Amino acid sequence: KAGVTQTPRYLIKTRGQQVTLSCSPISGHRSVSWYQQTPGQGLQFLFEYFSETQRNKGNFPGRFSGRQFSNSRSEMNVSTLELGDSALYLCASSPPGRDDTEAFFGQGTRLTVV
Amino acid sequence: QKEVEQDPGPLSVPEGAIVSLNCTYSNSAFQYFMWYRQYSRKGPELLMYTYSSGNKEDGRFTAQVDKSSKYISLFIRDSQPSDSATYLCEFDLGGTSYGKLTFGQGTILTVHP
Repeated sequence: KAGVTQTPRYLIKTRGQQVTLSCSPISGHRSVSWYQQTPGQGLQFLFEYFSETQRNKGNFPGRFSGRQFSNSRSEMNVSTLELGDSALYLCASSPPGRDDTEAFFGQGTRLTVV
Repeated sequence: QKEVEQDPGPLSVPEGAIVSLNCTYSNSAFQYFMWYRQYSRKGPELLMYTYSSGNKEDGRFTAQVDKSSKYISLFIRDSQPSDSATYLCEFDLGGTSYGKLTFGQGTILTVHP
């Protein structure tokens, strides 16, 4: 079974630009979560989608947004990029029908803002 | 006070050593306790999972949870160079928390031959 796939793997953008990252979950997984990982803050939860609906979100500004499509693939968008947005963005999918969140992570997209 | 505190490390141990990784937490509502391993340039992968106080063993790995004292530990026996990675403790409220996982900062472990 294929794992979680994130594209692109690496991205360099300029301050003020916007960026879209893509995530394809494991087949059969309908929950997709996004996390930002930085050396200073560690892994921080951005938002979670299930059946095209955002069910939960973390404490990030509105510049960070996401969506999920009917095939469970998800995208996240960051507008008006700031230098502090440089990070590893991780997507995780979770199997259905469980009370806990066993998260299967992709390899991440490394975003560098210059 | 941070919700989760993880022993920062880094840790450097010789091959064959016993490694102890520790996290404390303040939120008594956490129901699930997990350890992830993250190799360089990779995403985290689930290593151990438990939801009750006590020990859980899987091969060379033992996860320990003490809910009364609010700490969790991961022990690695007979450590190998392939165990060199960042280890993250993770806490889950369960139920309707929907993906909102709380991670420790991570401990970098290096096992040298």
